[in-house]
Amino acid sequence: NAGVMQNPRHLVRRRGQEARLRCSPMKGHSHVYWYRQLPEEGLKFMVYLQKENIIDESGMPKERFSAEFPKEGPSILRIQQVVRGDSAAYFCASSPPIQNGYTFGSGTRLTVV
Amino acid sequence: RKEVEQDPGPFNVPEGATVAFNCTYSNSASQSFFWYRQDCRKEPKLLMSVYSSGNEDGRFTAQLNRASQYISLLIRDSKLSDSATYLCVVDTGGFKTIFGAGTRLFVKA
Repeated sequence: NAGVMQNPRHLVRRRGQEARLRCSPMKGHSHVYWYRQLPEEGLKFMVYLQKENIIDESGMPKERFSAEFPKEGPSILRIQQVVRGDSAAYFCASSPPIQNGYTFGSGTRLTVV
Repeated sequence: RKEVEQDPGPFNVPEGATVAFNCTYSNSASQSFFWYRQDCRKEPKLLMSVYSSGNEDGRFTAQLNRASQYISLLIRDSKLSDSATYLCVVDTGGFKTIFGAGTRLFVKA
């Protein structure tokens, strides 16, 4: 069981470029969550997805950010026209249908220069 | 008021000490509670679930007080390897899970 796989581990983008972050949940997990962690701050919920459905995106900025979890393949968090304030660690977590704690991936550290 | 509040610390304790963290939550309808541990620049990892009856795992004891809406974590006989940030996590139902900002612990030799 490979656990929750996120890639890339580190991503550097220039202002205005697009960032694509990928997350493959643990085998058997159908629920995916994305969190953002700014330096020296706590985890902030962004979005909760199940296969082909966005269940709760109340933590997603209204512009430039989008997420998907297609029927096949990993979940993608997409940030268009990145700005310096988007620099953070983005963690993906997954859980089985019966929630009893998450398993996190090792995160993607996005740096916008 | 934040949905989940923790004392950010840091708590600086010597090896062998007992240390306790508290966490308060605002939503009385919250259903599930957890403590996670996060090492510097690493992902959070589930430490333990918290039940109304309290639960213990080795040197770690977690308790839940629904009436006062707080959760506690007690670490006995602290080890250097316990140094980390401890996150209080509350599931408000419907998979809406809120993370506290964390309490930093430094255990010194």
